[in-house]
Amino acid sequence: EPEVTQTPSHQVTQMGQEVILRCVPISNHLYFYWYRQILGQKVEFLVSFYNNEISEKSEIFDDQFSVERPDGSNFTLKIRSTKLEDSAMYFCASSVSGAGPSFFGPGTRLTVL
Amino acid sequence: GENVEQHPSTLSVQEGDSAVIKCTYSDSASNYFPWYKQELGKGPQLIIDIRSNVGEKKDQRIAVTLNKTAKHFSLHITETQPEDSAVYFCAARRTDDKIIFGKGTRLHILP
Repeated sequence: EPEVTQTPSHQVTQMGQEVILRCVPISNHLYFYWYRQILGQKVEFLVSFYNNEISEKSEIFDDQFSVERPDGSNFTLKIRSTKLEDSAMYFCASSVSGAGPSFFGPGTRLTVL
Repeated sequence: GENVEQHPSTLSVQEGDSAVIKCTYSDSASNYFPWYKQELGKGPQLIIDIRSNVGEKKDQRIAVTLNKTAKHFSLHITETQPEDSAVYFCAARRTDDKIIFGKGTRLHILP
């Protein structure tokens, strides 16, 4: 069964450091997403990406965040200067259609110290 | 913007009984309502969805209903089994295409 994969599973970083979270979406999917989930809270939309550009982004996705699809398989989320409140589980997702995310990855737990 | 409210936050049902999770949304122009199941240590997975031009959709033991007038939609799981234990999220797609999630319902299936 096809699946979205994410690396690393857990990332610990110091406040102010840059982190890159990596995702490999399902190969024939065209729409890609990043969501985050702070412990015990709801899943929050960060950004959607289609045709090599951002299609939508939330208020959370400020200038400290960026996304990239550097090649035909990877989809990355970069946080330039991490803050304590960036600590969360970050989920990558993909879908064939633009209706919304259908397959989520297992997540990367980001801990900012 | 869209606000999605989900109830209850926790639900325990006896194995074999039915479970119902309810959500409301605020943006009357929302047109797509997916439901996700999140098992421990995994990401949410889409289990069923419904569009605003349909009132009900069923897939084996799960069904969703949508009341556009009241802006309510519900997930129904019949003949619950232990593997149904998980956190379930409802969501709604806003007119700007962003998917907004509810806070989740932790479903416990009791033996």
